[in-house]
Amino acid sequence: DAGVIQSPRHEVTEMGQEVTLRCKPISGHNSLFWYRQTMMRGLELLIYFNNNVPIDDSGMPEDRFSAKMPNASFSTLKIQPSEPRDSAVYFCASGRTGPGEQYFGPGTRLTVT
Amino acid sequence: AQSVTQLGSHVSVSEGALVLLRCNYSSSVPPYLFWYVQYPNQGLQLLLKYTTGATLVKGINGFEAEFKKSETSFHLTKPSAHMSDAAEYFCAVRSSGGYNKLIFGAGTRLAVHP
Repeated sequence: DAGVIQSPRHEVTEMGQEVTLRCKPISGHNSLFWYRQTMMRGLELLIYFNNNVPIDDSGMPEDRFSAKMPNASFSTLKIQPSEPRDSAVYFCASGRTGPGEQYFGPGTRLTVT
Repeated sequence: AQSVTQLGSHVSVSEGALVLLRCNYSSSVPPYLFWYVQYPNQGLQLLLKYTTGATLVKGINGFEAEFKKSETSFHLTKPSAHMSDAAEYFCAVRSSGGYNKLIFGAGTRLAVHP
């Protein structure tokens, strides 16, 4: 069974460019979470969806960040325009309502120069 | 509000020694508790979980954790550390708000010395 798939695994971009991170959750999971991890701030929850509907985006740092989940098998996190302080590892995780655990993808390492 | 406190951001043990990573939680409802491990340049991997029932929970790689309601603790242990156990460990509690949201602790980095 395939785990959570994220792409790209690494992204290097220049300040001001648009960045799109992609996530494919585990089939059958109905919850999806986007996290950001940095040395300074640790693991931060940005936004989460249930049955493709955004539930809480209070962790999204600025209006430059947006996320969508057009269907049960795909989600995107977009940063426009990107800034050097957005450099981090971005994780996507999915789960099923009930058991509680989340399964994490391998992450996307974003570097904004 | 729920919260998780991991005592000790860094723990160092010798190979073969007991591993003890501490986690205390705060929850207004019966908690679902989790331990995750993160190896360098990888995502978080579920080690074990407690939902209901037996308070001693066994996980992968020889780890186990015991839920102690009276102490609001869920400490992670392993009898004998291996070099491959060097990683960061996160304790988490499921949010009472539903939707499988987890509240994570700040993490404990485990170093294992030969």
